[in-house]
Amino acid sequence: DIVMTQSPDSLSVSLGERATINCKSSQSVLYSSNNKNYLTWYQQKPGQPPKVLISWASTRESGVPDRFSGSGSGTDFTLTISSLQTEDVAVYYCQQYYSPPHTFGQGTNLEIK
Amino acid sequence: EVQLVESGGGLVQPGGSLRLSCAASGFTFSRYWMKWVRQAPGKGPEWVANINQDGNEKFYVGSVKGRFTISRDNAKDSLYLQMNSLRAEDTAVYYCVRDLGYGDNWGQGTLVTVSS
Repeated sequence: DIVMTQSPDSLSVSLGERATINCKSSQSVLYSSNNKNYLTWYQQKPGQPPKVLISWASTRESGVPDRFSGSGSGTDFTLTISSLQTEDVAVYYCQQYYSPPHTFGQGTNLEIK
Repeated sequence: EVQLVESGGGLVQPGGSLRLSCAASGFTFSRYWMKWVRQAPGKGPEWVANINQDGNEKFYVGSVKGRFTISRDNAKDSLYLQMNSLRAEDTAVYYCVRDLGYGDNWGQGTLVTVSS
């Protein structure tokens, strides 16, 4: 199974400042035949299911604010929130869908400093 | 609007069985892979199983292989998860998810509690 490791486990950022979350996979999730990274980012707020923010490592889902961006390739990925808003307080997860089981990272708890 | 509504959760004793259902609407169910994802209390999500459009391709996480069976009925726009030989560690909220590889639409989940 592919192991996904996020860092940090928790993050405290001031309003308006940048938040950066990292995700590392134990093997590459880049599919060479189509040059796509099978990596997604979710946001989860208490009592709600996860909500997809970014697919294919860097494609923002419809309706997701443009302060959210994803980058990286192969085994190393980053979710960046360019200017933190109060509504961004949540737990963030990366997940690979390169091969089953489609494993998740352990999560990063983002709060306001 | 895509809607996924899970049902069938509840309290069950260790070793018992439970069948979860998911009613899908707002999209052409038969055209999509579907999956179940669970989340234990205070933990991150865990991918459980997925199934292709025809129901003839299925994948499971190792911890449920041989105990859980995913299935679907395209005529009824429904997804199922038959869970046998349940263990305490299966306690979780179980989500029905439309599967594009990533999950683009999630239900609200149904809670399964395995306890004596």
